[in-house]
Amino acid sequence: GAVVSQHPSWVICKSGTSVKIECRSLDFQATTMFWYRQFPKQSLMLMATSNEGSKATYEQGVEKDKFLINHASLTLSTLTVTSAHPEDSSFYICSAPKVERTGELFFGEGSRLTVL
Amino acid sequence: QKEVEQDPGPLSVPEGAIVSLNCTYSNSAFQYFMWYRQYSRKGPELLMYTYSSGNKEDGRFTAQVDKSSKYISLFIRDSQPSDSATYLCAMSVTGANNLFFGTGTRLTVIP
Repeated sequence: GAVVSQHPSWVICKSGTSVKIECRSLDFQATTMFWYRQFPKQSLMLMATSNEGSKATYEQGVEKDKFLINHASLTLSTLTVTSAHPEDSSFYICSAPKVERTGELFFGEGSRLTVL
Repeated sequence: QKEVEQDPGPLSVPEGAIVSLNCTYSNSAFQYFMWYRQYSRKGPELLMYTYSSGNKEDGRFTAQVDKSSKYISLFIRDSQPSDSATYLCAMSVTGANNLFFGTGTRLTVIP
């Protein structure tokens, strides 16, 4: 069964509004979670690394003020897309390593954001 | 040169065929290798995980890592229509915090 849960699976919003996406690790604690973005027929692009109890680490070119990440507990990370615009429409996927220091990474179901 | 190269396909095979999916990479320091399956509009699902070189088998799936050639493969035996998906290879030097993905190969298994 799923080990990482993501919600909502899809969301439609108006331009200028903010959208929050939740990512939960099920039955395990995740001090680190990762947020990816995926465009149609393209691979995953790492946006940021979410660290429990500290600031997220953003990849080059990703606006930290636009994509707010909060990792308030060991099982929950949230991504808030602020003042969303149509170009922010994409598939956002979170992931968490179940075993630290290895490459086994488990992904959520993804959240499809459409900004009108 | 990209860190990880993967033929995007698409690849179409008849049901029951053996499928071979491959990735090449340039960083000889990679030591964690993964294959993910992604259905349309879903998150990637971890299929196979291999540390360092060698083969790993799980049911109809076999993952191979050849570090000398910087080449990894995923074989699917007795392919089924339900195997139709995009397959992503991924690899890392240190672990989950620095994963490099291939672009994915789209596979269709025709009944």
